[in-house]
Amino acid sequence: DPKIIQKPKYLVAVTGSEKILICEQYLGHNAMYWYRQSAKKPLEFMFSYSYQKLMDNQTASSRFQPQSSKKNHLDLQITALKPDDSATYFCASSRGQFSNERLFFGHGTKLSVL
Amino acid sequence: GQQVKQSSPSLTVQEGGISILNCDYENDMFDYFAWYKKYPDNSPTLLISVRSNVDKREDGRLTVFLNKSGKHFSLHITASQPEDTAVYLCAADYNQGKLIFGQGTKLSIKP
Repeated sequence: DPKIIQKPKYLVAVTGSEKILICEQYLGHNAMYWYRQSAKKPLEFMFSYSYQKLMDNQTASSRFQPQSSKKNHLDLQITALKPDDSATYFCASSRGQFSNERLFFGHGTKLSVL
Repeated sequence: GQQVKQSSPSLTVQEGGISILNCDYENDMFDYFAWYKKYPDNSPTLLISVRSNVDKREDGRLTVFLNKSGKHFSLHITASQPEDTAVYLCAADYNQGKLIFGQGTKLSIKP
């Protein structure tokens, strides 16, 4: 059974719309993250949360808003979608937010913005 | 600029041979180095990692070599098998909980 669940697996949206990407982890981890992989680009860090608090934000645009309603949830709301937002968005978690903590990834949500 | 670089987008190795995947980095502050494996439409999975206080770590068929002065680390896979065919991502961090990934190298093992 997957321990990090991302929903949906595939998502098609129109330009200007808003979508929420869901992430739940059942590993008992305290830190959660969002990463993004666009075509021809490396996997790119977006946000980190520790104990439901934002620790780091490397996303320039305020259109991307993480939401943590529970310790094991970290959803990603994206507003005013643009075609450039098309990418696979990976949620990840680790026991704590330190560099020697193993990072576990979900299977990703592949977003296509038309 | 890109802080972690994998200069080879692809590599083909004969089954049974040694696969050598390379990664260069720019930031002297990095103290954690990792290799992830990724199949298409699947999640990256950690293979092996090292801290900056060691030069080498072995785990079965996998060995990571770290060259701090050269800002380079590599993954060696011995006795390469068809199931090793995947994309390999190198990554580094400096105690920020923020892994910086390379572009990936697509490894193909030929039977």
